[in-house]
Amino acid sequence: EAEVAQSPRYKITEKSQAVAFWCDPISGHATLYWYRQILGQGPELLVQFQDESVVDDSQLPKDRFSAERLKGVDSTLKIQPAELGDSAMYLCASSRAANYGYTFGSGTRLTVV
Amino acid sequence: QKEVEQNSGPLSVPEGAIASLNCTYSDRGSQSFFWYRQYSGKSPELIMSIYSNGDKEDGRFTAQLNKASQYVSLLIRDSQPSDSATYLCAGVSMDSNYQLIWGAGTKLIIKP
Repeated sequence: EAEVAQSPRYKITEKSQAVAFWCDPISGHATLYWYRQILGQGPELLVQFQDESVVDDSQLPKDRFSAERLKGVDSTLKIQPAELGDSAMYLCASSRAANYGYTFGSGTRLTVV
Repeated sequence: QKEVEQNSGPLSVPEGAIASLNCTYSDRGSQSFFWYRQYSGKSPELIMSIYSNGDKEDGRFTAQLNKASQYVSLLIRDSQPSDSATYLCAGVSMDSNYQLIWGAGTKLIIKP
């Protein structure tokens, strides 16, 4: 069964350092999402890509977060500088078309110390 | 603001019984709904999708959609301890780039 690949699985970083997450969606999935999930809450959308274009990044804290999907395939989410409040699970998901469910990667558990 | 609401639980159900999870939504334009299962420390896993009024069955799982009352439910028959997880309900927002609007999830505990 096709999977969304994410790395790393876990990341511990010091406050003010830079951190990056990588995601490779299921082949052929044009839509890619980055979510942040805090324990006990539903996922919060950070950015949505359609191919290489950003469709929605209204909830992305652009002073410190950036996301790119240069060739419309894999994607990178960066945080610089990291803050203590950024500790969360960062999830990547992809979907083959609008109105279909998403497939999530295994996520990256970020701890900022 | 469009919302999906779920009781956070925990919902405790004896092994072998039927677990009933519910969610309500505010966006009358939503046409499609999904149930995700999330084990502690893991990512969400899609278990059911439903697009029209009525019931949809898949193995031990039945999803129910009532658009007039704006609620979605998930029934799990013959509950097993391995069903213990948080269940997230999500609906598609037709006027927000087909993004999913998420509930906060219901924690389900199946007691042996």
